[in-house]
Amino acid sequence: DAGITQSPRHKVTETGTPVTLRCHQTENHRYMYWYRQDPGHGLRLIHYSYGVKDTDKGEVSDGYSVSRSKTEDFLLTLESATSSQTSVYFCAISGGQGGGVQLNRTDTQYFGPGTRLTVL
Amino acid sequence: AQKITQTQPGMFVQEKEAVTLDCTYDTSDPSYGLFWYKQPSSGEMIFLIYQGSYDQQNATEGRYSLNFQKARKSANLVISASQLGDSAMYFCAMEDSNYQLIWGAGTKLIIKP
Repeated sequence: DAGITQSPRHKVTETGTPVTLRCHQTENHRYMYWYRQDPGHGLRLIHYSYGVKDTDKGEVSDGYSVSRSKTEDFLLTLESATSSQTSVYFCAISGGQGGGVQLNRTDTQYFGPGTRLTVL
Repeated sequence: AQKITQTQPGMFVQEKEAVTLDCTYDTSDPSYGLFWYKQPSSGEMIFLIYQGSYDQQNATEGRYSLNFQKARKSANLVISASQLGDSAMYFCAMEDSNYQLIWGAGTKLIIKP
């Protein structure tokens, strides 16, 4: 199994407070992703990273920011949490050797255990 | 627009029977990848099987096989000899031209003893 951890695993917070979720990998994979999963939906991409300090927006990026200062860590921040951000958040990683964002790859994404966030 | 459709919200199957989970996709890209993931009640997402659009043969991984029909844009997951532990949500996903995954809404599979 890929070495991916997420912290915290559970969090309850109040509307308007900042929240940071951490994804840590020990696989030295280049690509990292943050998804949210809501009932009745598949996963929806929030942000992703294709290298240190290289990030881009996904489908549902509003209200979220990310940072990746090291290969192994990808942080997701909710600057001011809202009830609509109550969800389960998954981090994923995938490989990709060599340079260049457009390097053709179809690497499998491996997922962390998830973080259940409740915003009251 | 690229899209994944899983038309079966839920399925009941008798233990030891084979089961087919449907997945259709829509893309205009000539190159793409198709994935199936399993999510048991414990919540983790587990990769099961992958099919590339140019692969000549259907992918197989143990009891899992992928019935890939490119002309019909379908990528159905077949589980042979189902087991109680196969009860879970199953998601089909497609990698788009930006190497991002587009997900279906999932199928809840329940295996009956």
